[in-house]
Amino acid sequence: EVQLAQSGGGLGQPGGSLRVSCTASGFAFDSYNMNWVRQTPGKGLEWISYISASGTTIFYAPSVQGRFTVSRDNGKNSLSLEMNSLTDDDTAIYYCARDRSAIFGRGTALAPWGQGTLVIVSS
Amino acid sequence: VMTQSPATLSVSPGEGVTLLCRSSQSVGSNLAWYQLKPGQSPRLLIYDASTRASGIPPRFSGGGSGAEFTLTISSLQSEDFAIYYCQQYDKWPMYTFGQGTKLEIK
Repeated sequence: EVQLAQSGGGLGQPGGSLRVSCTASGFAFDSYNMNWVRQTPGKGLEWISYISASGTTIFYAPSVQGRFTVSRDNGKNSLSLEMNSLTDDDTAIYYCARDRSAIFGRGTALAPWGQGTLVIVSS
Repeated sequence: VMTQSPATLSVSPGEGVTLLCRSSQSVGSNLAWYQLKPGQSPRLLIYDASTRASGIPPRFSGGGSGAEFTLTISSLQSEDFAIYYCQQYDKWPMYTFGQGTKLEIK
């Protein structure tokens, strides 16, 4: 079964750091591009980061550019999101999501998704 | 910018419903629909505007192209009451989602 299992997150202070991780199983992780998407009550779903299958191409949404870092370890089938300089606006449920198709250089729908990890930024 | 309407829709089980998603510019057929229930992760329903994802029942159908898209649920079941999001993936890698349409029981 294709699965993405998330961990990490929790409570972080403004200006602080948190890490969210995602472990893949049931598919060839090193063949698929991966994404991070967050969900907030006010903004709904927001795409925040993309990393290519090889890890050599990375993109961020302007809202997190310069503060968040995505990485992957294909040997461990794992994906991570390091979040620094946290603000209240980063409070959200964070999802890892796989590109539906194993292609590069164009967009696809996202499936499957991890179960979500809650990140709360508060002093 | 992806705009969904209406924001909330009150419908009785067994009825049919059509949700709308409009884009500020053409996205071709590069559009997906997702279902999101409380405590669950988003579930892909439709991709490429009209192709049902694996395991999605035929009562879900997608249509449209360019800048106007629809998601139709032909006969609402109790498990269909959720929030539905559209997502464009034409402007890769900057994926954008609509603000969602909440389907609630009338």
